[in-house]
Amino acid sequence: KQEVTQIPAALSVPEGENLVLNCSFTDSAIYNLQWFRQDPGKGLTSLLLIQSSQREQTSGRLNASLDKSSGRSTLYIAASQPGDSATYLCAVMNDGNYQLIWGAGTKLIIKP
Amino acid sequence: DADVTQTPRNRITKTGKRIMLECSQTKGHDRMYWYRQDPGLGLRLIYYSFDVKDINKGEISDGYSVSRQAQAKFSLSLESAIPNQTALYFCATSDLVGGDQETQYFGPGTRLLVL
Repeated sequence: KQEVTQIPAALSVPEGENLVLNCSFTDSAIYNLQWFRQDPGKGLTSLLLIQSSQREQTSGRLNASLDKSSGRSTLYIAASQPGDSATYLCAVMNDGNYQLIWGAGTKLIIKP
Repeated sequence: DADVTQTPRNRITKTGKRIMLECSQTKGHDRMYWYRQDPGLGLRLIYYSFDVKDINKGEISDGYSVSRQAQAKFSLSLESAIPNQTALYFCATSDLVGGDQETQYFGPGTRLLVL
């Protein structure tokens, strides 16, 4: 059974720092891996989607990497800003049933 | 206007009551999903529908039922609410693009409290 883990559960850093959020999964037979952002009262927003055949995806200051063999993904945020404060969720889509299995998230606080 | 809307946004109910959470989307997607989120846990899939005539149970369907009234509407019902169904409920939609599973688009969530 696929399990997705995100460590740490919470992270607080000063504005301007680069940071890395981690996601690990137990079964490498994935279809894709996705990173979402959750803001209170606003639902979830997709940030990046990496297909199983890809190694990374980039969008602005965000870069997500995928290493299927080791069951790991990282989300790199460059030059962090207070507006980046949110909970970041990692989700793995299983190959075959196409259902998303979610991590519990990392709550990120960027201090001005 | 939001592409995926959920009503109500907040609901307080009592144990044993039947309630319905509604989801509407204007994205034209065939696929719709209901999730619940509990503090400290990832989202868990309750039900999903790949088209109007296709309804499937997710990981935690016991105590819930759904209705896909149209491509744009997908409702979740709690037949007899119990306190451990207190959670944040999300509706989501997605579509296939060129054979690839596209990402999911989420509504703002419904916060449900069962007393």
